[in-house]
Formats: sequence, structure tokens, C-alpha cells
Amino acid sequence: EIVLTQSPGTLSLSPGERATLSCRASQSTRSTYLAWYQQKPGQAPRLLIYATSSRATGIPDRFSGSGSGTDFTLSISRLEPEDFAVYYCQLYGSPTYTFGQGTKLEI
Amino acid sequence: QVQLQESGPQLLKPSETLSLTCAVSGGSYWSWIRQSPGKGLEWIGQIYQSGSTQYNPSLKSRVIMSLDKSKNQFSLRLTSVTAADTAVYYCARHGGFDFDSWGQGTLVTVSS
Repeated sequence: EIVLTQSPGTLSLSPGERATLSCRASQSTRSTYLAWYQQKPGQAPRLLIYATSSRATGIPDRFSGSGSGTDFTLSISRLEPEDFAVYYCQLYGSPTYTFGQGTKLEI
Repeated sequence: QVQLQESGPQLLKPSETLSLTCAVSGGSYWSWIRQSPGKGLEWIGQIYQSGSTQYNPSLKSRVIMSLDKSKNQFSLRLTSVTAADTAVYYCARHGGFDFDSWGQGTLVTVSS
């Protein structure tokens, strides 16, 4: 089973700053299989990025994803107040789906 | 617009069977995912429009998923629950190798 490790566990930034979140897989994977989600308290996760770098419907272009092999990154170019939440990466590792432990983005 | 809504009992005793249903409008395959403070987000299994299923190996011995096309819903049964199965359970639609729509989630508590 592939293990996903996200870092940092908590990221403290201010509105307007740039955020860079990391997700490392325990073995190399296809970029098609990597997604990112945002979760706010009391809500279900929301898909942000799929296939490493494609934004989901309605996601602002300040969110971007990149990476390959075992190392993937979610970047938020200019933080808005509504962006402070927990972010998860997720990987398909035939036949299972695995999530990282999350990065909390706080003000 | 895809909508998903979970329903089912929210309080169970150890050794009982968890049964949840998800009403769907749209999609061709769906999954159950749960979230607990101790284990984070955990994929339970998926079911295709054909009715075929795949389960997380760690839960496979206790999980059954089924599909009722006439009612546009799919179901989860998890047998012999323990306190470790206490979690928020979500149903979600696949957009490919990801989950592009989620239900609001339902908290299931296992306690004697």
C-alpha cells in the first residue's frame, strides 16, 4: 500500500501570502492518480485539483498543482481569508485510494 | 448537478451492523469514505454502475456494498462494528481517480 506524507503539518501564513504544501508518496506514481482537497470545519472535502495539475470546476486560478514521481505540490498564490482550511492529497494505488494526513493552513 | 445524500442509523452498539444508504443523482461509480480523528480519511470501497465492487483490503472481510438502480441509491454494510468504526461516513462520486462530489456526511457512533 502506498503511503502519502504531507508536510508541513501546520502552515501559518497571512492573507496575500503564497502557500506551498507538499505531498510525498512512498513509491512512484502516475500524475493522473494524484488529487488535492480542501476541507473546512463541519464540511465534506472539496476537490480542488485532479490529475496533479488540473483545477476542478469552479476552483480559482490562484490554486495550482504540480509534481511527478513521488513528490507533489499544491500552491496557493495569494491567500484569501476563505483559503484557511485543511488540505489533503489523495492517490489512487490500484485498487485502493489513499489520503495524506492533511496540512492545516492557519492564519 | 450531482447530489449525494447519506442516510442511516447514527448510533450502534459493538458487534452490530452499520447500514447506510446514499441517494445519488448522476455519476457512474461511487465510493464510501470515512473520517475519524484517529485515522483521518479512509477509503472503504467503491461500486460501479454494473454493480461490481472493490473494497479496501483492510476492511474487505466486513464490507458489502450494493446498488439499487430503481431507487438511484447505493448502500454500505459494515459488520461487527467496534468503537474504532466511529467516524463520519461520506458517499462520494468518482470523477476518475478522484472524488469530485461528496455527500454532507453522517456521523456514526459505536458505543455500548
